[in-house]
Amino acid sequence: DIQMTQSPSSLSASVGDRVTITCRASQSISSYLNWYQQKPGKAPNLLIYAASTLQSGVPSRFSGSGSGTDFILTISSLQPEDFATYYCQQTYSIPYTFGQGTKLEI
Amino acid sequence: EVQLVESGGGLVQPGESLRLSCAASGFTFSNYAMHWVRQAPGKGLEYVSAISSNGGSTYYANSVKGRFTISRDNSKNTLYLQMGSLRAEDMAVYYCARWGSEGGYYFDYWGQGTLVTVSS
Repeated sequence: DIQMTQSPSSLSASVGDRVTITCRASQSISSYLNWYQQKPGKAPNLLIYAASTLQSGVPSRFSGSGSGTDFILTISSLQPEDFATYYCQQTYSIPYTFGQGTKLEI
Repeated sequence: EVQLVESGGGLVQPGESLRLSCAASGFTFSNYAMHWVRQAPGKGLEYVSAISSNGGSTYYANSVKGRFTISRDNSKNTLYLQMGSLRAEDMAVYYCARWGSEGGYYFDYWGQGTLVTVSS
């Protein structure tokens, strides 16, 4: 199975900050990398797929980059509604494993 | 509007069985592979199982292989997860998710989740 490792596990930031979250795969996954946002008590919500493609309806302050084994999620200017947990996921090979999550706190 | 609605969760004792359902609407269900993902209380997301659009291919995580069975009824637009020999470590919120495949591979729609509690 491909292991996905996110860093940091938690992050404190303020409204307006620029934030980056890193995801590393245990082997090359090309660009088969997705990012999800999850708020407490809710299902995950797809933000970015194929490493850098913004899902329809997702604000442009979210962006993704990377390929191979190293990927980054960037939020350019944090808004109050962005405080949540973020997960990366590889869909290169089944099982489609997730990172452990990054909790973004105020 | 695409909707996925899970049901069937509840409290069961270790060793018992439970069947989860995921009712789909707003899209042509038979065209999409579907997945189950679970999340233990306070923990991260764990990939559980997958089924192809016609039900001919399935996949199970090692943690549930031999105990869980995924299936679908395309005439009823419904996905199922039959869970047997339940253990304490199976306690989680179970989500069904649709497989998106335009421009990449991802889970583009998720249900709200159904909670399975395993306790004596």
